[in-house]
Amino acid sequence: ETGVTQSPTHLIKTRGQQVTLRCSSQSGHNTVSWYQQALGQGPQFIFQYYREEENGRGNFPPRFSGLQFPNYSSELNVNALELDDSALYLCASSRNTGTSFFGWLDSPLHFGNGTRLTVT
Amino acid sequence: AQRVTQPEKLLSVFKGAPVELKCNYSYSGSPELFWYVQYSRQRLQLLLRHISRESIKGFTADLNKGETSFHLKKPFAQEEDSAMYYCAYSGGSNYKLTFGKGTLLTVNP
Repeated sequence: ETGVTQSPTHLIKTRGQQVTLRCSSQSGHNTVSWYQQALGQGPQFIFQYYREEENGRGNFPPRFSGLQFPNYSSELNVNALELDDSALYLCASSRNTGTSFFGWLDSPLHFGNGTRLTVT
Repeated sequence: AQRVTQPEKLLSVFKGAPVELKCNYSYSGSPELFWYVQYSRQRLQLLLRHISRESIKGFTADLNKGETSFHLKKPFAQEEDSAMYYCAYSGGSNYKLTFGKGTLLTVNP
């Protein structure tokens, strides 16, 4: 069983630039979520993708966007980088039924090791 | 807004002592509560979820809707329990987990 893998592990960008982070979900998983973890904070939900569509979004501006591909891998894109975007970005995959009624059947989130983004 | 509060940033106990990591949440609908753990140099992983009602590595957590709490307990702490623990809340299954800020547990020999 292959776990969640993220690339790159570290990245340094300049304010105003754009960045793309990548995530390969665990085998058999159909849902990908992205979280931002600032230093000393818990992970904060950015958005979730299910069946290649955004399935929910946290309190993040539109310059944070994503994609999910047919093989369930995903990208997180951030435009017009700001200094406060410096954080650890976590990808998590799971196997979801897609309904809250059968939510108890959903597998737990499996997290990747994250991408450390530094914006200077 | 959904909120998860972990009042202790740091918690230090001796091996064999009981440990309780506190978690309170703001109520909204039917909550699903989770505890996630991150051991040193490892990825964040699920420890337990309230719906499963199971004990993992000797840890248990009871959902108290009256007190809106989901404290994590273990009667006898082990050195290998030293880790960062996050309480998380969801309005439904895996959707949009709201994490607390975490508690760093250190179990001393």
